[in-house]
Amino acid sequence: KQEVTQIPAALSVPEGENLVLNCSFTDSAIYNLQWFRQDPGKGLTSLLLIQSSQREQTSGRLNASLDKSSGRSTLYIAASQPGDSATYLCAVLNMIYNQGGKLIFGQGTELSVKP
Amino acid sequence: KAGVTQTPRYLIKTRGQQVTLSCSPISGHRSVSWYQQTPGQGLQFLFEYFSETQRNKGNFPGRFSGRQFSNSRSEMNVSTLELGDSALYLCASSPGLADTDTQYFGPGTRLTVL
Repeated sequence: KQEVTQIPAALSVPEGENLVLNCSFTDSAIYNLQWFRQDPGKGLTSLLLIQSSQREQTSGRLNASLDKSSGRSTLYIAASQPGDSATYLCAVLNMIYNQGGKLIFGQGTELSVKP
Repeated sequence: KAGVTQTPRYLIKTRGQQVTLSCSPISGHRSVSWYQQTPGQGLQFLFEYFSETQRNKGNFPGRFSGRQFSNSRSEMNVSTLELGDSALYLCASSPGLADTDTQYFGPGTRLTVL
């Protein structure tokens, strides 16, 4: 059974700091891994998607890496800003032959960036 | 392109009632998934539909059901509501479920059961 864990659960940093969020998963048979951002009371915004055959993806100040063999992914945020404050969720897509698939989420890392 | 829309945004019901939530996916997307989010359990998968067929179902009781229409719009229904059904219900759409397909989420429906 796939389990996704995110560490730390909460993080508070001063503005301008570079930071790393961690995600681990127990079953390496994933189709892709996605990082999302969720603002309080809102839906999820997709940040990055890494296919299982890829090692990393970049978008602006965000860089996500994937190491399937060790069951780990990291989200690197450069030069953090107060607007980055949100909960960051990692999810892996598990597919079932002829039965579609589902995202399995970690519990999230709540990030607070102080001005 | 318009994003994923969910209606209603907020609902208050009492125990024993039933509720129907609606999701309109991004135009051209054929896969719609539903998730329940609670503070204690986090985000949990409910079911996924593709071209009007339910392909996968999460570990929820039969009180939770859904369907997808020919225009890819989807509804989920919860019957005999319980207090524990209070949650944010999120819908996600994607072109399919290929490894390149990002899932786009709607704003959610906040259900409160009294």
